[in-house]
Amino acid sequence: DVKVTQSSRYLVKRTGEKVFLECVQDMDHENMFWYRQDPGLGLRLIYFSYDVKMKEKGDIPEGYSVSREKKERFSLILESASTNQTSMYLCASSYGTGEPSSYNSPLHFGNGTRLTVT
Amino acid sequence: AQSVTQLDSQVPVFEEAPVELRCNYSSSVSVYLFWYVQYPNQGLQLLLKYLSGSTLVESINGFEAEFNKSQTSFHLRKPSVHISDTAEYFCAVRSGGLTGGGNKLTFGTGTQLKVEL
Repeated sequence: DVKVTQSSRYLVKRTGEKVFLECVQDMDHENMFWYRQDPGLGLRLIYFSYDVKMKEKGDIPEGYSVSREKKERFSLILESASTNQTSMYLCASSYGTGEPSSYNSPLHFGNGTRLTVT
Repeated sequence: AQSVTQLDSQVPVFEEAPVELRCNYSSSVSVYLFWYVQYPNQGLQLLLKYLSGSTLVESINGFEAEFNKSQTSFHLRKPSVHISDTAEYFCAVRSGGLTGGGNKLTFGTGTQLKVEL
C-alpha cells in the first residue's frame, strides 16, 4: 500500500514563526500536493509538484512556499505564520508520468497535520 | 474553471436506511469525477470515479454514483448504510490540464454523513 507520512499530527506555533511541514511518500510518485482543509470550505490546493525541483501554485499560495529537493519529500513552508493559517494541512501524492493515461491516477493522502497558530 | 458543489453539509440517517449525497459539477470540457471519503482522524481515500463509459460506477463497499450529463450531477448513493459509513464525503473534479499536474483535483466542500442507530 502507498504510504504518505506527515511528520507531525499536531503542531502549535506562534505568530511570525517560520513553520515547516514535512511529507514523505514511499511509492516513487511523481506528483505531490499540499491542500488545506477548513470546515465549510473543503480542501483547497496550496501548491503542487510534478517533479523534483518543480512546483506550481495552486488556488491559495499566498503566505506559503514549498520545496522538493528529493522525489519522495515535499515540504510546505509558512514563511511567517499568521493566525489565519490555523488549519488542517493534507499532503497527497499520485502517480503521474505526464502522459494522459496517468492523469486520473488516484491521490493518496496522509493523515494530516493540524496546525494552530497563536 | 471546473468546480463541484455539494449542497448538503450534513446528512443524518438511521442505520440500514438509504442515503444520497448530492454533487453537481460545472465544466465546459470533458469531465472526470471522483468521490473521496475521509474517516475520522484519517486522510482522504478514493471511493469511486467516473472517467468514461458506463454512467453508473460502484465501489467495493456498496456505494454507487451515477454520472448525469443533462443534470450535471454525480450523486453518491447507498441503499442501506452502516454505522461504519459515518465519515465525510468529498466530491471532486479533475481540473488539471495537459501539462504536469494533470491530475490536480478541485474538491467540493464536503458532506458529513452521520449514521445513527
